[in-house]
Amino acid sequence: QQQVKQSPQSLIVQKGGIPIINCAYENTAFDYFPWYQQFPGKGPALLIAIRPDVSEKKEGRFTISFNKSAKQFSLHIMDSQPGDSATYFCAAQGGSEKLVFGKGTKLTVNP
Amino acid sequence: NAGVTQTPKFQVLKTGQSMTLQCAQDMNHNSMYWYRQDPGMGLRLIYYSASEGTTDKGEVPNGYNVSRLNKREFSLRLESAAPSQTSVYFCASSDRRDRGRDTQYFGPGTRLTVL
Repeated sequence: QQQVKQSPQSLIVQKGGIPIINCAYENTAFDYFPWYQQFPGKGPALLIAIRPDVSEKKEGRFTISFNKSAKQFSLHIMDSQPGDSATYFCAAQGGSEKLVFGKGTKLTVNP
Repeated sequence: NAGVTQTPKFQVLKTGQSMTLQCAQDMNHNSMYWYRQDPGMGLRLIYYSASEGTTDKGEVPNGYNVSRLNKREFSLRLESAAPSQTSVYFCASSDRRDRGRDTQYFGPGTRLTVL
């Protein structure tokens, strides 16, 4: 049972484009939604996170949009750069449960 | 702080061989995790340890065993390696006192090939 569904599996954009990665969940007990970024050959690292009491959170060029009624959240990367090329994982957590990860999106930003 | 360290970085095994992957963290975290990462499959939890002295199965525990040696160290053992265990293995640690939520810190990974 996949608790967090992530799409697309891969994404290619040109430099300056705005890639969008989407995630959907079913468990209404989830109340914490982080995104992790993984560069090739490295472990994932926390990028940005949101709680459902806000609909949007920005940190630099990275924005999470959250739609509680639709049970969806997405990551937008403004003015994307080749250095943003990485795999991005969404995740969700509720209560005392462990983090549940999506399957990841491989982003390639071409120069 | 080194964070989460893993050894070895690379390993090649023959089918049937055994080995132990080592993980240590210096952040005084209570919880530790072992994941495997395969193309298109994301991060799949093998085992986790919520605190020193406890371990629990994750999504894909078959063929693996773990030991939480102390608060710092959490090892993963393959008793009889199979080609299906070819993967990249990540160890992670977390503590809910950190920002009040489960921020996981990952090690650099071990790339394992089973021939």
